[in-house]
Amino acid sequence: QSVLTQPPSVSAAPGQRVTITCTGSSSNIGAGYDVHWYQHLPGAAPKLLIFDNTKRPSGVPDRFSGSKSGTSASLAITGLLAEDEADYYCQSYDNALSVSPFGTGTKLIVL
Amino acid sequence: EVQLVESGGGLVEPGRSLRLSCAASGFRFDAHAMHWVRHTPGKGLEWVSGITWNSGDIDYADSVKGRFTISRDNAKNSLFLQMNNLTPEDTALYYCARDKAAAGPGSLDYWGQGTLVTVSS
Repeated sequence: QSVLTQPPSVSAAPGQRVTITCTGSSSNIGAGYDVHWYQHLPGAAPKLLIFDNTKRPSGVPDRFSGSKSGTSASLAITGLLAEDEADYYCQSYDNALSVSPFGTGTKLIVL
Repeated sequence: EVQLVESGGGLVEPGRSLRLSCAASGFRFDAHAMHWVRHTPGKGLEWVSGITWNSGDIDYADSVKGRFTISRDNAKNSLFLQMNNLTPEDTALYYCARDKAAAGPGSLDYWGQGTLVTVSS
């Protein structure tokens, strides 16, 4: 099991807003390490969606945003599209284990 | 254009070894840390190992520590993963990924398409 916990699934209708949480601890997110978010579509390589907690790589729509507070981080997606249906993972660094773990992953279902 | 191309995957019996390679192009390889990440449908993405730009700092997931060895050859723009004493739990699609930072740990901004490793008798 990962040291970063995410809800197994979230769902919402097209056009709505959804939030995915990533809960860590004092040895990773709470220690000040940055959180990154990835989108993973079936059959494709994972794609960096948010880096350094809040920054979007070039080409990622501003419908995607990230935040971080204390030992947790969140990914928000607004104006949901059918194409957003995918698995989403957070990632950070853990200084107690010296690893860069991914979260447990969240499947986004667009109803 | 940044490209990462993995190779070396295949079907192997439990207890045997396999060496994965990742050929990098389109960027200055020795300016980035590099990582191996694996994916299974049941477990999702699992970070396996990371190596800084000059091989000065190397980390492993507990699940592979003592069995896997990451290395790089900056002169050949290549990343490697030596996998020994493989078990069925190592069956996965293995990705090579570039770290935005030279010394890590940073975000993984470019990924290869993966090479499939199947451990089965």
